[in-house]
Amino acid sequence: QLQLQESGPGLQKPSETLSLTCTVSGGSITRGNYFWAWIRQAPGKGLEWIGSIYYTGSTYYNPSLKSRVTISVDTSNSHFSLDLTSVTAADTALYYCARHYNRRTGDDTFDIWGRGTMVTVSS
Amino acid sequence: QSVLTQPPSVSAAPGQRVTMSCSGSNSNIGNNYVSWYQQLPGAAPKLLIYDNDKRPSGIPDRFSGSKSGTSATLGITGLQTGDEADYYCGTWDSSLSAGVFGGGTKLTVL
Repeated sequence: QLQLQESGPGLQKPSETLSLTCTVSGGSITRGNYFWAWIRQAPGKGLEWIGSIYYTGSTYYNPSLKSRVTISVDTSNSHFSLDLTSVTAADTALYYCARHYNRRTGDDTFDIWGRGTMVTVSS
Repeated sequence: QSVLTQPPSVSAAPGQRVTMSCSGSNSNIGNNYVSWYQQLPGAAPKLLIYDNDKRPSGIPDRFSGSKSGTSATLGITGLQTGDEADYYCGTWDSSLSAGVFGGGTKLTVL
């Protein structure tokens, strides 16, 4: 059974770069039609999609975060990563990684989620 | 402000039926498939409905989804106290080339 596990620092200072990793276990990161996504949830708020990556390295990013986001994938070690630059208090959130199933154009589902990792931005 | 619009809250008594809506536009719901996610308190979201109206294995048939035009609806019958959660709709927005979610609806089972 496929599982996702987020890891990374829980505390960041303003202006730093937030870096998180999601390790995929129990399944292949190179399976066709599956992207790998980062989604966040600010305290008391809703879900915000950050971006998704295919095992080939092809990416999609949230336009509102695109200038600060890089998602990369390491197929050899079965993990993918998020870098978010110049963080502020507004980036304080629970960060989830998720499997993004794209059956066909316009048919996208986040079908498996990690448990999430809390990141606080504070000086 | 979310791209998809959901009512902030709905409530109903145990055993009753409840529906919650998700409104969008032609660039998202109108031309793409909708998913629904359940987030129990303190837990990660869980896929409840995909492809507008399909249930993943293990999801009881008390949960149903539908779509008409640029709106989608999640229905839950035989409400249980364990259904109290936040429910999110999600889809792909073709104009933004981005995944989008609604702001979430908090279900209270009175």
